[in-house]
Amino acid sequence: QVTLRESGPALVKPTQTLTLTCTFSGFSLSTREMCVNWIRQPPGKALEWLAVIDWDDDKYYRTSLRTRLTISKDTSKNQVVLTMTNMDPVDTATYYCARSTGFVAARRYFDSWGQGTLVTVSS
Amino acid sequence: QSVLTQPPSASGTPGQRVAISCSGGSSNIGGNPVSWYQQLPGTAPKLLIYSDNQRPSGVPDRFSGSKSGTSASLAISGLQSEDEADYYCAAWNDYLNGWVFGGGTKLTVL
Repeated sequence: QVTLRESGPALVKPTQTLTLTCTFSGFSLSTREMCVNWIRQPPGKALEWLAVIDWDDDKYYRTSLRTRLTISKDTSKNQVVLTMTNMDPVDTATYYCARSTGFVAARRYFDSWGQGTLVTVSS
Repeated sequence: QSVLTQPPSASGTPGQRVAISCSGGSSNIGGNPVSWYQQLPGTAPKLLIYSDNQRPSGVPDRFSGSKSGTSASLAISGLQSEDEADYYCAAWNDYLNGWVFGGGTKLTVL
């Protein structure tokens, strides 16, 4: 059974750096074709993909946020970490981690999701 | 504004068939598989359809997906009250080298 769980601060101040951790079970990121993504959803708005890291440590980022995002993995702990710098109130959202699988990025899909964690950016 | 375009709302009565459209371009839907996600109120999204028209195990066959050119569609037949949710389409975008989602469609069961 695949499970993912997000953890991190519920409140951050503007200009601070956000660090979120996705802890997962039921698969290993050292196994070929496994990937973990971060996706966010502002209150009342649509889903927005942020970043992905795969078993081979390849990474892709949302173009508009590339300079602010860093994704990394700790295979021994079954964790993926996302950092986002220079937080702004518009970054207030529920942040989800989700698994995808497959060799070809374009052919993947998000087959398992965490419950999400709400991050509010406010002074 | 989302790269993939969905109608903001859709509705139907129990037992009816409804369809939700998702329009994109050659760099996303036109060249890559589409997936669909159901988000019940207050919960995380759930995979409903992948590779344009495939259902994961456990998803009722009332849900079906199709694609033609740069547009995709999710159909729900035999509408039930528990289908009331937000529905999102998604596809890889070759120019952006990343995933794009539709703006979401809120389905109301009257």
